[in-house]
Amino acid sequence: DSGVTQTPKHLITATGQRVTLRCSPRSGDLSVYWYQQSLDQGLQFLIQYYNGEERAKGNILERFSAQQFPDLHSELNLSSLELGDSALYFCASSVGDLNSPLHFGNGTRLTVT
Amino acid sequence: DAKTTQPPSMDCAEGRAANLPCNHSTISGNEYVYWYRQIHSQGPQYIIHGLKNNETNEMASLIITEDRKSSTLILPHATLRDTAVYYCIVRVVSLADSSYKLIFGSGTRLLVRP
Repeated sequence: DSGVTQTPKHLITATGQRVTLRCSPRSGDLSVYWYQQSLDQGLQFLIQYYNGEERAKGNILERFSAQQFPDLHSELNLSSLELGDSALYFCASSVGDLNSPLHFGNGTRLTVT
Repeated sequence: DAKTTQPPSMDCAEGRAANLPCNHSTISGNEYVYWYRQIHSQGPQYIIHGLKNNETNEMASLIITEDRKSSTLILPHATLRDTAVYYCIVRVVSLADSSYKLIFGSGTRLLVRP
């Protein structure tokens, strides 16, 4: 158990809809990362937050947004969903420095029908 | 971003050591090498990381060459449960925003045979 909690575990929704994925980091971790893993793309870095502020952006679509709240949990919002957004979405957390590993949750499996 | 090159697949016998190689010839002086593994569709699991020196923990050993252009992850006594995709990652440092991303490649699919 990595200590990172993601909810829900599974989500099935229709095209055009909007969903919110939630992540609770490990106790004491200030940094949260979001990754997307689809069958043909591997693990893609989406975005990083540190202590409530956005730190780095990766291949995140404009339809997607994220935030980190004062209690350090984070949410990833996906809107105008398309079939191609079906994927595993992982959250990871770390203390926030270069020498601290990321610890990943077990992901949310999103299916868009 | 420093890229890594890993063989797409390897296998080893249960109980033997598994040695997984990784090339990272463009690594910068302050970039760490991290190893993760992913079992089926679970979240990636942290194994070990290092900068210059060899490292060992309860899971594995990491051997980094003196020029830092390559490294080897060693699982000393592989078990069937070690069957997974193993990712070698150079952690990207951005001094501009103090971000330390992990950029995953394709990894090595390790099959441990009974």
